[in-house]
Amino acid sequence: GAVVSQHPSWVICKSGTSVKIECRSLDFQATTMFWYRQFPKQSLMLMATSNEGSKATYEQGVEKDKFLINHASLTLSTLTVTSAHPEDSSFYICSAAQGKAFFGQGTRLTVV
Amino acid sequence: GENVEQHPSTLSVQEGDSAVIKCTYSDSASNYFPWYKQELGKRPQLIIDIRSNVGEKKDQRIAVTLNKTAKHFSLHITETQPEDSAVYFCAASWVGSNYKLTFGKGTLLTVNP
Repeated sequence: GAVVSQHPSWVICKSGTSVKIECRSLDFQATTMFWYRQFPKQSLMLMATSNEGSKATYEQGVEKDKFLINHASLTLSTLTVTSAHPEDSSFYICSAAQGKAFFGQGTRLTVV
Repeated sequence: GENVEQHPSTLSVQEGDSAVIKCTYSDSASNYFPWYKQELGKRPQLIIDIRSNVGEKKDQRIAVTLNKTAKHFSLHITETQPEDSAVYFCAASWVGSNYKLTFGKGTLLTVNP
């Protein structure tokens, strides 16, 4: 099946700094990718839709200036958490579709 | 937008018994319904999916049923094994959305040896 790779798998950063997460489709092109966030013992919640060559579409309640999304090529989308705070600590996971949705490995972000 | 309700939130069964998890969805435009198994700290793993032109699908010990009229779908696991213990999520999507998924809240399944 199709492979979606996400990097890094985990990251610890200091409060106030920014963190970039990469999501790559390794063996197919994806004009659209999705970013989800999962807090402990909760479900996956869609944050935003990443569109190649155009602006991302954010779900209600998600701050677009805080969660910057760039989809500069057909195989790469990046999510940058700017000015991270402890409440941003979560599991961030991307997906891309080829006949069905494929997920990256996820990134565990801890803000201290 | 779509809303997916999932029940129960926890389910404990004895090894060898069957487990059933139920979901309902709100948007009649949804036409793709996957089920995922997620182990702690890992990505969701697709275990079975069903499209709206089919009422039932089976893959070995796992089956999914879909009732479009009632807008509900269910996951059935037979002959459960301890390694089936995990969190299971249902989801709904419209194929034309590039598989943008709305997830249920999840079910923690525990299979006791």
